[in-house]
Amino acid sequence: GENVEQHPSTLSVQEGDSAVIKCTYSDSASNYFPWYKQELGKRPQLIIDIRSNVGEKKDQRIAVTLNKTAKHFSLHITETQPEDSAVYFCAAKDTGNTGKLIFGQGTTLQVKP
Amino acid sequence: NAGVTQTPKFQVLKTGQSMTLQCAQDMNHNSMYWYRQDPGMGLRLIYYSASEGTTDKGEVPNGYNVSRLNKREFSLRLESAAPSQTSVYFCASSEAFPDPPNNEQFFGPGTRLTVL
Repeated sequence: GENVEQHPSTLSVQEGDSAVIKCTYSDSASNYFPWYKQELGKRPQLIIDIRSNVGEKKDQRIAVTLNKTAKHFSLHITETQPEDSAVYFCAAKDTGNTGKLIFGQGTTLQVKP
Repeated sequence: NAGVTQTPKFQVLKTGQSMTLQCAQDMNHNSMYWYRQDPGMGLRLIYYSASEGTTDKGEVPNGYNVSRLNKREFSLRLESAAPSQTSVYFCASSEAFPDPPNNEQFFGPGTRLTVL
């Protein structure tokens, strides 16, 4: 089955800097890759996603890139702000019609003012 | 729309006690999921239900049972709670069939369970 590895596990940046989180997946048939943000004590919420027929997607300060050949995808946050501090999870959808997502271990991002 | 709701929000059990976590969604989604979240372990799938009337094991099903009561509701039962089941439990739902453009999973607020 699908396996997702996420790096780094923790990331600390200065406000205004960029942050990059990387994930690799194992199943080349996976076609959907979401990123979730989880603030302390809250539920995970989708911030951006990408499907396998697209190489890059942007939404204001966040972007996701996908390299199908290398089977990796990355989250890019520019001009980081203290409210970006949270745990970020990448995921890959399992093949088939169950909608199952396989999550990475998570990255704790700290943005220092 | 309430989205995905879970009850209870908090629960403390003694070892060996049983309980059922309730989950409901009002988005008419086919698929529902139960996860547990432990520090440093990410979100691990316990059980899922791809459609009404079906349930399947996820990554960590031991010690749990589930019931897909109808399209809206998916419950998780701990028959004999153990301290290792202390965790935060999230229910989620998505429109998974037949592979829609939006595969987003929507999460409930979570249940914090402590087993003493």
